[in-house]
Amino acid sequence: AQSVAQPEDQVNVAEGNPLTVKCTYSVSGNPYLFWYVQYPNRGLQFLLKYITGDNLVKGSYGFEAEFNKSQTSFHLKKPSALVSDSALYFCAVRDEDNFNKFYFGSGTKLNVKP
Amino acid sequence: DAGITQSPRHKVTETGTPVTLRCHQTENHRYMYWYRQDPGHGLRLIHYSYGVKDTDKGEVSDGYSVSRSKTEDFLLTLESATSSQTSVYFCAIRLTSGGDTDTQYFGPGTRLTVL
Repeated sequence: AQSVAQPEDQVNVAEGNPLTVKCTYSVSGNPYLFWYVQYPNRGLQFLLKYITGDNLVKGSYGFEAEFNKSQTSFHLKKPSALVSDSALYFCAVRDEDNFNKFYFGSGTKLNVKP
Repeated sequence: DAGITQSPRHKVTETGTPVTLRCHQTENHRYMYWYRQDPGHGLRLIHYSYGVKDTDKGEVSDGYSVSRSKTEDFLLTLESATSSQTSVYFCAIRLTSGGDTDTQYFGPGTRLTVL
């Protein structure tokens, strides 16, 4: 069964430093992968997705993600973190057999300190 | 926000009572979803709809039913609420055309507490 895992419950980074939020996936075929962000008391917002093509995907708010098939990873990155990036981040994958279903990771809380 | 609203935004109810949550969208999207969010579990799919009167189960559908009698409304019903259904419930729509295919837009959520 397909799934995604976010191994870190929390990531702490200083403002201005690069940040990485990790995601690994388990899919037998070619994965459709997504990153979403959730600010306090809000719904999730789409950041970026990987379907095919370049392994480096650029998204909203300066975020990018690197797809690595050999490591089955899709890590979210940003070269220079902002305090306003502090939020909960979710990785997600589309079901291989039923394209209408999606599976989300458990979430990673990003704390960016001034 | 793709014109998605959820009602109520907060609800406290007692075990055994029926509860209905409403999701309303204004942009005529075909696909609508109900998820629940719990600490340590992320979001889990309860049910989804792929058109009027067309619905299917997700990974945590036990104890929940849904209905979609018109495109804009997707209702989630807890027939007899239990404390394990205390959660934050999110509705989402999914885009199905162009470069935004498979992107989901989420409503603001409903916080449900079952005492």
